[in-house]
Amino acid sequence: NAGVTQTPKFQVLKTGQSMTLQCAQDMNHNSMYWYRQDPGMGLRLIYYSASEGTTDKGEVPNGYNVSRLNKREFSLRLESAAPSQTSVYFCASSHNSNEQFFGPGTRLTVL
Amino acid sequence: QKEVEQDPGPLSVPEGAIVSLNCTYSNSAFQYFMWYRQYSRKGPELLMYTYSSGNKEDGRFTAQVDKSSKYISLFIRDSQPSDSATYLCAMTPRNSGYALNFGKGTSLLVTP
Repeated sequence: NAGVTQTPKFQVLKTGQSMTLQCAQDMNHNSMYWYRQDPGMGLRLIYYSASEGTTDKGEVPNGYNVSRLNKREFSLRLESAAPSQTSVYFCASSHNSNEQFFGPGTRLTVL
Repeated sequence: QKEVEQDPGPLSVPEGAIVSLNCTYSNSAFQYFMWYRQYSRKGPELLMYTYSSGNKEDGRFTAQVDKSSKYISLFIRDSQPSDSATYLCAMTPRNSGYALNFGKGTSLLVTP
């Protein structure tokens, strides 16, 4: 089992460019999450999907969109990247519990 | 004011010391409390999980919850250099499929 995988691992964008961060889990988990982690701010929830077909906003959803493509995959899209979106992005999943399994993260820099 | 407060440290201790990490929170609806460990440039991993008030022990780690004071603690006995990491507390009102509220994390360095 690979657990939670994220692509890409690193990305540099220019202001205004768009991109999609991909996340997949092979643990048959119902719930999936996107967080961002910034120095001094901790982990902040962007969006989550409690089950296939549903998505909900978290603490910091502005500037992002998500798609729960199927039970395995949950993508995060930046339509027009801004320097304030420079961060490390983590995807996580869980199954009928609060134990969330995290991916290795995507380090995004927006110039 | 964030719902979960955690001193970011850094906290530096000698090998073998007892470490105490703490979080306070303001939302009385929180029922489930977790500690995650995050090594540098890695994703967080669950270390301890407790429900409501009380203590839970797992090897060198003890998690304590005091709901009356809205205060949770993680104790590490006989600390090792391999314990050097950032420790994040997290909590939620429900038992599954719900967003976690994280503290900012405390950076711990255990020196040989």
